Amino acid sequence: QSVLTQPPSVSGAPGQRVTISCTGTSSNIGAGYAVHWYQQLPGTAPKLLIYGSTNRPSGVPDRFSASKSGTSASLAITGLQAEDEADYYCQSCDSTLGGSVVFGGGTKLTVL
Amino acid sequence: EVQLVQSGAEVKKPGESLKISCKGFGYSFTDYWIGWVRQMPGKGLEWMGIIYPGDSNTKYSPSFQGQVTISADKSVSTAFLQWSSLMASDSGVYYCARHRGIEYYYYTDVWGKGTTVTVSS
Repeated sequence: QSVLTQPPSVSGAPGQRVTISCTGTSSNIGAGYAVHWYQQLPGTAPKLLIYGSTNRPSGVPDRFSASKSGTSASLAITGLQAEDEADYYCQSCDSTLGGSVVFGGGTKLTVL
Repeated sequence: EVQLVQSGAEVKKPGESLKISCKGFGYSFTDYWIGWVRQMPGKGLEWMGIIYPGDSNTKYSPSFQGQVTISADKSVSTAFLQWSSLMASDSGVYYCARHRGIEYYYYTDVWGKGTTVTVSS
């Protein structure tokens, strides 16, 4: 049972827009702690996609964006491409766990 | 180029000890927290803990406190993850990752390729 809750799967056709939600509590996202997002392509290590709730590292396409409000955050991917098919994880920190990093359970994105 | 190079796959028996490594290249190893993330087969990411090689300050996830030991040798820019007595449930892929930010704002910007640990009798 992950501290942050994500839908197990989402899907979309090429060119479409999809969103992935990440729901936390008052001890993590709701406490104002930033949310970060990672993409994990099959058989590879995770890659940082969004940090500080809304910031993209250099090299990440602007098709990827994120937002945060209250106890939830979301990742949006526009202009969906086949190579976006991957697992996506949100991450924050949790005060009840002494500030430990916590991950969502992950969402499998399928490009139809 | 900033990169983390992890040690190779391991196959161990229950009860055996193990120490895997992660060597940093291309940056000042002592200036960043470095930590470990477990991924069990077909499952999600689990944060285990981090160490600051500059002073060896270490923080563990409550889930892994007492189960593993994280250490670092700054003279060779290498972090370690150690088990004293492995169990079958320790099987998985272990990633090392450079952490940025501050307490309550940690995120990881560089990841190793992962070390697969298989524990089986």
